[in-house]
Amino acid sequence: DIVMTQSPDSLAVSLGERATINCKSSQSVLFSSNNKNYLAWYQHKPGQPPKLLIYWAFTRESGVPDRFSGSGSGTDFTLTISSLQAEDVAVYYCQQYYSAPHSFGQGTMLEIK
Amino acid sequence: QVQLQESGPGRVKPSQTLSLTCSVSGDSISRGSYYWSWIRQPAGKGLEWIGRIFGSGNTNYNPSLKSRVTISLDTSKNHFSLNLSSVTAADTAVYYCARSITIFPMDVWGKGTTVTVSS
Repeated sequence: DIVMTQSPDSLAVSLGERATINCKSSQSVLFSSNNKNYLAWYQHKPGQPPKLLIYWAFTRESGVPDRFSGSGSGTDFTLTISSLQAEDVAVYYCQQYYSAPHSFGQGTMLEIK
Repeated sequence: QVQLQESGPGRVKPSQTLSLTCSVSGDSISRGSYYWSWIRQPAGKGLEWIGRIFGSGNTNYNPSLKSRVTISLDTSKNHFSLNLSSVTAADTAVYYCARSITIFPMDVWGKGTTVTVSS
């Protein structure tokens, strides 16, 4: 099974500042036949279901603000929020969908400083 | 626009079987390109992928739960189900159902339903 590890576990950032969350997989999630990284990022707010933000490591889901961006390849990935807004307070999860079980990272709690 | 909604008992006794249903509206669960998944979140913990079923009926389960989990489709009712046997307090969680399309991640989720295992 692929183990996903996020860092940090929690993060406090001032409004308007950049937030960066890292995700590392225990093995590569890059599928060589299509050169795609099977890595997604979700935003999870209390009382709501998780919301898909990013897939293929860097493709934004429709309707997701462009302040959210994803990067990385192979085993190391990053979610960046370029200018933190109050509505971005949430727990963020990375997930690999390369092979079952489609494991999640432990989550990163993002708060306002 | 496809929508998913979980339903089932909010409380299950230890050693019994937890049974949940995810009703799908706006699309057919038998469409061959879709996967239908279950995910859970124990209170204060992260998300755990339980398993999924393809429109054809093929399944994948999390090995940590595989001996106790069954996911099935009911095309006549356009819903899919989760059965988790021999439950303990550790199975207390919010349970979500979700959809994914072939090689894409889960993009549509139900709102979640809370299940408490308690006598």
